[in-house]
Amino acid sequence: KNEVEQSPQNLTAQEGEFITINCSYSVGISALHWLQQHPGGGIVSLFMLSSGKKKHGRLIATINIQEKHSSLHITASHPRDSAVYICAVRRADSNYQLIWGAGTKLIIKP
Amino acid sequence: EAQVTQNPRYLITVTGKKLTVTCSQNMNHEYMSWYRQDPGLGLRQIYYSMNVEVTDKGDVPEGYKVSRKEKRNFPLILESPSPNQTSLYFCASNPGPGGNSPLHFGNGTRLTVT
Repeated sequence: KNEVEQSPQNLTAQEGEFITINCSYSVGISALHWLQQHPGGGIVSLFMLSSGKKKHGRLIATINIQEKHSSLHITASHPRDSAVYICAVRRADSNYQLIWGAGTKLIIKP
Repeated sequence: EAQVTQNPRYLITVTGKKLTVTCSQNMNHEYMSWYRQDPGLGLRQIYYSMNVEVTDKGDVPEGYKVSRKEKRNFPLILESPSPNQTSLYFCASNPGPGGNSPLHFGNGTRLTVT
């Protein structure tokens, strides 16, 4: 079993829909990252969380440390949100290495 | 502009011909790393460096070398490339140890080894 699991693997939705992508992990962590990879390949860091909730524009990320679960929400989704969203966690017992989820491929149709 | 610059973007080569993928960051970051990305497998770390002259193996280091002679540069070297090293490669940097600071990625290098 992977230490970081993302769901769903693929998600197709209509423009305007509320999107939720989930990340569950099985190890103790000190931080969790959400990143976005566009079809061109570039990877951009969206959020880094260690507790609670963060918001940037239409994107919201939450984390529940006790349940070992994080969610990434997109409100009023738009075709330009189509990308792969990747979750990564830093183990609490490691200074340097991240454990990566396999990514969620999101397609927003106009 | 703060950035991680990776070159080349695309590279096609033949088995056994040594190659280097360059990575440079202009943010004075201590930590740099190399990843490969393959369909269905996500990102896997090849090597990382905590500072100048300090490097260590990641999850999939076989067939790769790195060096960190200067803080800004972290080249990835394939001494004798093989077809199973065909992949999309990313260089990344961040200011401090590991995951407690935002990651900055290069634009990627798509390598094909025939």
